[in-house]
Amino acid sequence: NAGVTQTPKFQVLKTGQSMTLQCAQDMNHEYMSWYRQDPGMGLRLIHYSVGAGITDQGEVPNGYNVSRSTTEDFPLRLLSAAPSQTSVYFCATTPGTGEHEQYFGPGTRLTVT
Amino acid sequence: KNQVEQSPQSLIILEGKNCTLQCNYTVSPFSNLRWYKQDTGRGPVSLTIMTFSENTKSNGRYTATLDADTKQSSLHITASQLSDSASYICVVRRDKLVFGAGTILRVKS
Repeated sequence: NAGVTQTPKFQVLKTGQSMTLQCAQDMNHEYMSWYRQDPGMGLRLIHYSVGAGITDQGEVPNGYNVSRSTTEDFPLRLLSAAPSQTSVYFCATTPGTGEHEQYFGPGTRLTVT
Repeated sequence: KNQVEQSPQSLIILEGKNCTLQCNYTVSPFSNLRWYKQDTGRGPVSLTIMTFSENTKSNGRYTATLDADTKQSSLHITASQLSDSASYICVVRRDKLVFGAGTILRVKS
């Protein structure tokens, strides 16, 4: 039972390049989210999904795309990387809203030069 | 203005000592308040989840308190250990989770 896995662990991109951050979970949770964490700030929600085929925007969605074709996977795509997207990205899952716990992946540290 | 403010920003204590971290929030109404521990290079891990009607909740050496009237919460760590060195994040749930910036705790021997 791996929980929530993210790949890659580290990535360096040049401005304008595109890439996909992978997130997979084996807990059969319906809810999945992507956050970014920047120094001195709280985690901010980028996109989230309440189930396969359903996605919605969070607080800071610009420059990112998501899709959810299966319960297990929730990839985050950077279409044209910008230095402002340098951050640590976390994927999280939860079985539901309310008092349910959120389970975070180990994170991907992205640097855009 | 951040809706969840944590203090202090950072803290250094000696192993074995107690400490208390503070969280003030303006999120209203809210359904629950959470404390997470985040080790360096890792994702946050849940310590406690309290509904608005709960005043205190413990998880081993960690005790969280909540005063919904004053919109304040605290996390008390008893008999600190080196492994307690981490960032501690206060999170308030409304329709979504609102995260504080965290308090960085360093426990030294």
